[in-house]
Amino acid sequence: NAGVTQTPKFRVLKTGQSMTLLCAQDMNHEYMYWYRQDPGMGLRLIHYSVGEGTTAKGEVPDGYNVSRLKKQNFLLGLESAAPSQTSVYFCASTVGLGRANEQYFGPGTRLTVT
Amino acid sequence: GENVEQHPSTLSVQEGDSAVIKCTYSDSASNYFPWYKQELGKRPQLIIDIRSNVGEKKDQRIAVTLNKTAKHFSLHITETQPEDSAVYFCAASRRDDKIIFGKGTRLHILP
Repeated sequence: NAGVTQTPKFRVLKTGQSMTLLCAQDMNHEYMYWYRQDPGMGLRLIHYSVGEGTTAKGEVPDGYNVSRLKKQNFLLGLESAAPSQTSVYFCASTVGLGRANEQYFGPGTRLTVT
Repeated sequence: GENVEQHPSTLSVQEGDSAVIKCTYSDSASNYFPWYKQELGKRPQLIIDIRSNVGEKKDQRIAVTLNKTAKHFSLHITETQPEDSAVYFCAASRRDDKIIFGKGTRLHILP
């Protein structure tokens, strides 16, 4: 099993450009999450999904959109990138089952917006 | 919503000594408290977790304690080794809700 994978690993964008980050998991997990990690700020939740076709806002959702059309994939979109969105983005998944469980993280995507 | 405070932000201990990291949470309905370790350039990985129906859990050199009344929980690492150097995150979650992370503690093990 590959676990949780993220595409791409690195990306540089100019202000105003758009892009989509892809997260895929092969563990048949119900829940998926997108976090951003900034120095001294820990892991902040952007959006999450508790099942195919459902999404919800986290702590810092502004400027991002998500979609969960297939159970194994969770997409994070930036419609108009800003320098404040320079960060490392982590995707995670968990089995769900109606209670909190271990989150399995992807390797991360380092995004720089100039 | 849930708020998780973590202290200290940086901790240096001599190799072989113990390290303690403390966290507090605000939502009394939270019932799941994991700890993650993140090595430089790597993804966070779960090292231990505790649910609110127990007060303490131990796994070799790592232990976690939970005080529900005071809404705080702690990570204890004994006999620290160089490979324990990393950033540690505590987190809190309700039954099936999102997990909220603390800001992290950078642990340095000094030779």
